Amino acid sequence: DAMVIQNPRYQVTQFGKPVTLSCSQTLNHNVMYWYQQKSSQAPKLLFHYYDKDFNNEADTPDNFQSRRPNTSFCFLDIRSPGLGDAAMYLCATSGTRDRGYNEQFFGPGTRLTVL
Amino acid sequence: AQSVTQLDSHVSVSEGTPVLLRCNYSSSYSPSLFWYVQHPNKGLQLLLKYTSAATLVKGINGFEAEFKKSETSFHLTKPSAHMSDAAEYFCVVSDSSEDKIIFGKGTRLHILP
Repeated sequence: DAMVIQNPRYQVTQFGKPVTLSCSQTLNHNVMYWYQQKSSQAPKLLFHYYDKDFNNEADTPDNFQSRRPNTSFCFLDIRSPGLGDAAMYLCATSGTRDRGYNEQFFGPGTRLTVL
Repeated sequence: AQSVTQLDSHVSVSEGTPVLLRCNYSSSYSPSLFWYVQHPNKGLQLLLKYTSAATLVKGINGFEAEFKKSETSFHLTKPSAHMSDAAEYFCVVSDSSEDKIIFGKGTRLHILP
């Protein structure tokens, strides 16, 4: 089945120690998104790629970076995790950039713990 | 500017009784509206979407929603709740004038045995 895969499902890191979260998709979608979701809150968009075109949300901290080496893979790098970065990180894909008309397909998420 | 309000942060219903999760939106143009469900420690799954076709939209797992422009609402309903419906539900709005989608704050649905 076509799907969005996130690895690992659970990640523990130490305060200030860089961490990378991984997302892959078999849907061949052009657009990939990274969201941060804190407990009992809605997902918050960090950035998205349209093919190789990177789009950062205005309020995404510089501590968060992303890479998309090819259509299938996208990575979220947190350069110096703080306690406030502990959250669920969701990857999503969409067939087009027109978010008004096409739903997003979400991965299962990676839960990040910062010690 | 667009916005979405989910009127209840928590809803509790007994198994076998109807479910109503309320969502109101604000949009300058014709919106697209979505309902997603999120089970604990899982990603979001699309239940249904409205994109200016039929105003009554049927989704997966017996859910449906009706787009009411006069009331700016897109409430989610299900005739008979099942224990497996216990989850967080998000109403999402988007319109072609803004390159964003807006999530509601979510409604936690509890199913009582």
